[in-house]
Order: sequence, then C-alpha cells, then structure tokens
Amino acid sequence: DAGVIQSPRHEVTEMGQEVTLRCKPISGHDYLFWYRQTMMRGLELLIYFNNNVPIDDSGMPEDRFSAKMPNASFSTLKIQPSEPRDSAVYFCASSLGRGYNEQFFGPGTRLTVL
Amino acid sequence: AQSVTQLGSHVSVSEGALVLLRCNYSSSVPPYLFWYVQYPNQGLQLLLKYTTGATLVKGINGFEAEFKKSETSFHLTKPSAHMSDAAEYFCAVSGGVTGGGNKLTFGTGTQLKVEL
Repeated sequence: DAGVIQSPRHEVTEMGQEVTLRCKPISGHDYLFWYRQTMMRGLELLIYFNNNVPIDDSGMPEDRFSAKMPNASFSTLKIQPSEPRDSAVYFCASSLGRGYNEQFFGPGTRLTVL
Repeated sequence: AQSVTQLGSHVSVSEGALVLLRCNYSSSVPPYLFWYVQYPNQGLQLLLKYTTGATLVKGINGFEAEFKKSETSFHLTKPSAHMSDAAEYFCAVSGGVTGGGNKLTFGTGTQLKVEL
C-alpha cells in the first residue's frame, strides 16, 4: 500500500488567495483526520470524518476553513482567503475501525502564506 | 475528556544511555495510549500502543512503554540510545472502547537529542 498521500507537499501563496490541500487515505480505512502543526500550538486536530461524514469539526479555526470528503478515497481542506497565520504543516491521517487502531499519517503539506 | 502531559519539551542523552520520555494522561474512561515518532520533515509514525492486557508494551526500534494505571502514566523507554533516535516523540490518548471513537488527543511533544 502506498500509505496516505497528500498533495502538494509544499505550497507558497500570497495572503488572500485560496488554498486547497488534498488527501488520499489508505484504501479501506473509514476514518480520516486533518491536523495542523505549528511551533506555537503543536499538533491540533481540525476535523475528522467517518465514512465520509464529518463527525467533529470543532477544531476548525474559523469560517475561512472548510473540509470535504466526497468519497472514500479523497478529501480536501480549503482555506479561503488565506492569511499569514495559516502558515503551518497540515497532516492528513486515516485509520480503520475502532479507537485502538493506529492512525496512519501522510507526509504533510507545508503551507507558507506570504 | 482526555488530556496528555509530556514533561520536558527537550531531552538530551548521550549515545548508549537510557532514554526516558515521560507521559501522563487524564481520561474518564479506560484509555488507549499511543507513542508516535516524527522525524524531520516527515509525518508521525506509530512506535507502540497500549489497548488492553499486558501493561508492558514493546514497540519498534527497541522502544517500550509501561502503562501504570495508579500513576496515570505511560512513559517511553529505550535502554540504549542511538543517534538515529533523534526525533520528536508524541504521546497520545484516545477515548477507549466507551467513547471518543478514533479521536486522538496528543501531548505537546518531546524533542529527543542524542549526543556522541
């Protein structure tokens, strides 16, 4: 298996632009998670899905952030408009079934907003 | 609700020395506990996990951790550090069988430095 795939790996954009991050989970996994990692705030859970349905989006910082999972093999995290404080590494992770199963993380997307 | 406290944001050891990274958790239900490692510019990968049963858990790369319910701890150890162990380590807790689903709560991480 190729693992969790994220694209792009690096994104540099200007303030005010729309940014779309993409994630392909491991085939057969029914949970998908989006995290943000910064030096100041550490690793934060933004949102997670179960069977393509958003379960908990309480970590989404504000309305500029949105996430979708149109099917079991694809998810997007969109920031519109982007701001410099959104600069971070964004991780996608997937897992199977119960809470005792590990989450498999993608390599991350490093976002820089100028 | 669950929470995790990792004591020491930076730990430095000599190569060959014991590695001890501390993790204390808070959970209202019997927890599932995890240790993840993050190498520079990579995602997190699982080192080991505790779900039920034996409280001493062995993981990859010679690491192990012991679940101590009375101390609400899940400290990570390795008898002899190697240069390749230099990374950031995260302790995490999930809600266990009775709640929280697959949602993980992570600690703030401990950066391990290994010196010659």
